[in-house]
Formats: sequence, C-alpha cells, structure tokens
Amino acid sequence: GESVGLHLPTLSVQEGDNSIINCAYSNSASDYFIWYKQESGKGPQFIIDIRSNMDKRQGQRVTVLLNKTVKHLSLQIAATQPGDSAVYFCADLRRGSARQLTFGSGTQLTVLP
Amino acid sequence: EAQVTQNPRYLITVTGKKLTVTCSQNMNHEYMSWYRQDPGLGLRQIYYSMNVEVTDKGDVPEGYKVSRKEKRNFPLILESPSPNQTSLYFCASSFKGLDQPQHFGDGTRLSIL
Repeated sequence: GESVGLHLPTLSVQEGDNSIINCAYSNSASDYFIWYKQESGKGPQFIIDIRSNMDKRQGQRVTVLLNKTVKHLSLQIAATQPGDSAVYFCADLRRGSARQLTFGSGTQLTVLP
Repeated sequence: EAQVTQNPRYLITVTGKKLTVTCSQNMNHEYMSWYRQDPGLGLRQIYYSMNVEVTDKGDVPEGYKVSRKEKRNFPLILESPSPNQTSLYFCASSFKGLDQPQHFGDGTRLSIL
C-alpha cells in the first residue's frame, strides 16, 4: 500500500547546528505535503507545508524541500534550539476524488546542549 | 486564542461501556476530523466532517461513530469500546479541508480494559 516513511527514527543535534529531517513518500499522485511538530503530551503543531508545484518553501528558521523525482521531502531547521526537541512527522495528500492524507510515524529530534 | 479542545484528556474504562469524547473548536472551521495515534503507525484518520451534518469515514472507522450537529462540535462516540481501541486520540480542524494545515487538540488517552 501507499506509505510515507522516514529515514531515521531518531536524530540528535548540537544546539545551534542545523537539523535535517528526511521523509520518503511513495504515492506519485500526492500534491500536498506538510510537516508537523509534536511535543510530549501535546497535539501536532503545523510547521510548514508545500504544494507539488514548488520545490522549496521557507518559513521562520525552517525550510522544506521537495524532490518529486525521487519522492523525497526534507525539513531543515536552522540554528536548532532546545525548544525544537520534539517528534517531527510529515504527511502527504493524494490528489483525486479520494483524498487521503498519509502520515509518517515520525522522527524524534533531540537537541543537545 | 484559537484552539481545539478535547475532553476528557485521560480515560480508563471497561469493555462495552459507551463513552463519548468531545471536541470543540473556536475558529469557525468547516472541516473537522478524528485521528488515532498508535506507536509506529502514525496518525490514522477515523472520521471526518466537511461541514454541519456532513460526515464520512476515514481509514479506520470500525467501532466509532461521530456527529456534527453544530459547526464547532464534533464528538467521537464509542458505542461498545474494546481493548483494541486503546489509543491516543486527536481531534483536528481546518478551514476547508485536508489541503490546509490542521489545528490539533492536545489529545485524549483512552485505555479500554
């Protein structure tokens, strides 16, 4: 079946370094992609999204890159801070009449002092 | 403050005892949805609602019911809970649909004994 997966379940980075979290998707019919951050005991929080007509989108300290050729999505966090420690997961939305949003299982980002 | 509110946050109950998890949003969103989150599986959609009196099944609807009598409320009903419904549940809303960021509640942890 269709799936969205992540290359690594955990990622540790030094405070101040840049973080890169990767995501692979398998549905070539997906046209909308989104990243969420989930802190312990809380609900997912929207970070950034991108549509398939774009390759890159930037927000505040975050950048999402979309490579449709290899079905790969990445989230880059600049100057990672302790407050960035959380689980990050991506999701892709299949276009068409049966719209389905498929979530990955997440990557745990730990920011080291 | 824009928010999605779920109640209760935690519930331990027994098999077969009907329960309802309430969800309310104050953003006048048309689209509301329920998800369950299980380890290693990512978020899976249970039911969704495009607007008042319009509901439809998601990926894992078995054993659940929903209603949308008012725009702000979208309760999740377990008529006869079973242990395999033990999970972390999230309610979410967005302005129009899945191709927009969703606002999530902080979750309801259900344990069915």
